[in-house]
Amino acid sequence: GDSVTQMEGPVTLSEEAFLTINCTYTATGYPSLFWYVQYPGEGLQLLLKATKADDKGSNKGFEATYRKETTSFHLEKGSVQVSDSAVYFCALKTPGAGSYQLTFGKGTKLSVIP
Amino acid sequence: NAGVTQTPKFQVLKTGQSMTLQCAQDMNHEYMSWYRQDPGMGLRLIHYSVGAGITDQGEVPNGYNVSRSTTEDFPLRLLSAAPSQTSVYFCASSYRPDRYYEQYFGPGTRLTVT
Repeated sequence: GDSVTQMEGPVTLSEEAFLTINCTYTATGYPSLFWYVQYPGEGLQLLLKATKADDKGSNKGFEATYRKETTSFHLEKGSVQVSDSAVYFCALKTPGAGSYQLTFGKGTKLSVIP
Repeated sequence: NAGVTQTPKFQVLKTGQSMTLQCAQDMNHEYMSWYRQDPGMGLRLIHYSVGAGITDQGEVPNGYNVSRSTTEDFPLRLLSAAPSQTSVYFCASSYRPDRYYEQYFGPGTRLTVT
């Protein structure tokens, strides 16, 4: 079945540091890939997405590129801020009738310290 | 436009009690779903619905019932609560279920079963 593996946290960075959160996947066909963010006490929000190979999703300074050859969708940000402290989830959705489930990774908690 | 709303925010139940978690969306979305979030497990799909009158099971449906009598509402019923159902529950909706459409999440219900 489909699965998502993302790096375990927690990750602690200083403000303005470079962030990478690794995400790899196993899926049949060509899935769409997503990064969701969950701020403390809130629900999940879509951060960015990519629907085909080589697509780059970007939002709020975060980027991720859909790499079919390495089945990866790593999240990056050049300079993190304290306000980026949250839990980040990588997820996929496979195409086709009857396939409605978002498959999530276990989440990576990021803490950014001043 | 309130998006996806969930009530209650917090609930404590005793083993064997029943209750209903409410979920509503005002975006005229076809697709609605329920997830549970447990530490170190990511989110797992409980039940989903592709329209009024149509529901189906997700990955972890045991102990839960759903119905969808209107487009807006998708309540989740716990029939006889067990400590293993202690979790945070998220409702989500999207315009269509296929891979191109973003899912919008509610703020969650934190349930404790003693």
